[in-house]
Amino acid sequence: DAGVIQSPRHEVTEMGQEVTLRCKPISGHNSLFWYRQTMMRGLELLIYFNNNVPIDDSGMPEDRFSAKMPNASFSTLKIQPSEPRDSAVYFCASREKGGTYNEQFFGPGTRLTVL
Amino acid sequence: RKEVEQDPGPFNVPEGATVAFNCTYSNSASQSFFWYRQDCRKEPKLLMSVYSSGNEDGRFTAQLNRASQYISLLIRDSKLSDSATYLCVVQTSGNTPLVFGKGTRLSVIA
Repeated sequence: DAGVIQSPRHEVTEMGQEVTLRCKPISGHNSLFWYRQTMMRGLELLIYFNNNVPIDDSGMPEDRFSAKMPNASFSTLKIQPSEPRDSAVYFCASREKGGTYNEQFFGPGTRLTVL
Repeated sequence: RKEVEQDPGPFNVPEGATVAFNCTYSNSASQSFFWYRQDCRKEPKLLMSVYSSGNEDGRFTAQLNRASQYISLLIRDSKLSDSATYLCVVQTSGNTPLVFGKGTRLSVIA
């Protein structure tokens, strides 16, 4: 079981550049979540998908952020243009969608540094 | 007011000590409660669910007080390997996202 896969693991870029983060959820999981974690704000939900459909993107900080899920096995989070305050760890997580709780599994995260 | 609030710590305790973490949540509609553990530079992982009657898993005991909207985690006989950040998590229903507290950092010292 490969778990949730994220790439890249580390990204260092300059302000103004486009950044694309990638996520492959666990096979069979139909809910996918993008979180951002910083020391100041903790773990914040940015957006989540059920069955590849965006359900709630109210956590996306600005129009510079966008996310897609073209199919059940792939999602991207894009920042364009990037700014230094976007520096954080970005986690993708997946779980089975259902009426009773199913454990949510996180990927290893992408550590983004914007200079 | 933050939806889930925790004391950020750090809690520095000697091996063998008992340590308790507390958490409060603001949404009275919350139905499910959990503790996640996050090691340094790693992803969060589920430690245990929290049930209304309270539950125990080895050295770990979780309690829920719905009236006070309060959750606790007790760790007995602390081990060095317990050093991590403990995240309090709530959920409104099975289909909604998890809401995380900022975490409480624990350092167990030899």
